[in-house]
Amino acid sequence: DAEITQSPRHKITETGRQVTLACHQTWNHNNMFWYRQDLGHGLRLIHYSYGVQDTNKGEVSDGYSVSRSNTEDLPLTLESAASSQTSVYFCASAPDRAQETQYFGPGTRLLVL
Amino acid sequence: GQNIDQPTEMTATEGAIVQINCTYQTSGFNGLFWYQQHAGEAPTFLSYNVLDGLEEKGRFSSFLSRSKGYSYLLLKELQMKDSASYLCAVFQAGTALIFGKGTTLSVSS
Repeated sequence: DAEITQSPRHKITETGRQVTLACHQTWNHNNMFWYRQDLGHGLRLIHYSYGVQDTNKGEVSDGYSVSRSNTEDLPLTLESAASSQTSVYFCASAPDRAQETQYFGPGTRLLVL
Repeated sequence: GQNIDQPTEMTATEGAIVQINCTYQTSGFNGLFWYQQHAGEAPTFLSYNVLDGLEEKGRFSSFLSRSKGYSYLLLKELQMKDSASYLCAVFQAGTALIFGKGTTLSVSS
């Protein structure tokens, strides 16, 4: 069955380190998204991509970057991890820009010490 | 810009009906989604409205009024397993889904 996976599921890192969170989907969806979820803020969009070589900033993109070199993967990189980036990160994918359901990965819990 | 508001918490009892409201202000509206999220899990799709009116899907129904910037999710015959967060999200044209902060529903027996 097609699916969307994230790795690692849990990560502890130190302030200042570079961290990359992986997201892989096998639905061949063009659209992929990264969100972070924090108490009191809900899900907030970090970056999104509508296809290979396309990336766009969301509302909380500072300190994060993404690259899309193929359809299946959208890795999220924290260039220099900060304690404020401790959060649960969800990746999602969808087949089309509008009117299509987004399917979410299981999430990655990141703790920055 | 965009603004999506929904109540933070709601409580109800098994077998009851509960309505979770969502109001939104966005530019380039292109559909409204409801997601369910159990604690520690990923959000899962519940419903989608792009035209005004009521969409019914089993025990869950969702309503949209575009002129009022208003939607609600109606849950009937509540069960304990319906205890979860319910996320209202608006698809903003040219961008992506923008989520409200979610409503935590607690169902008691």
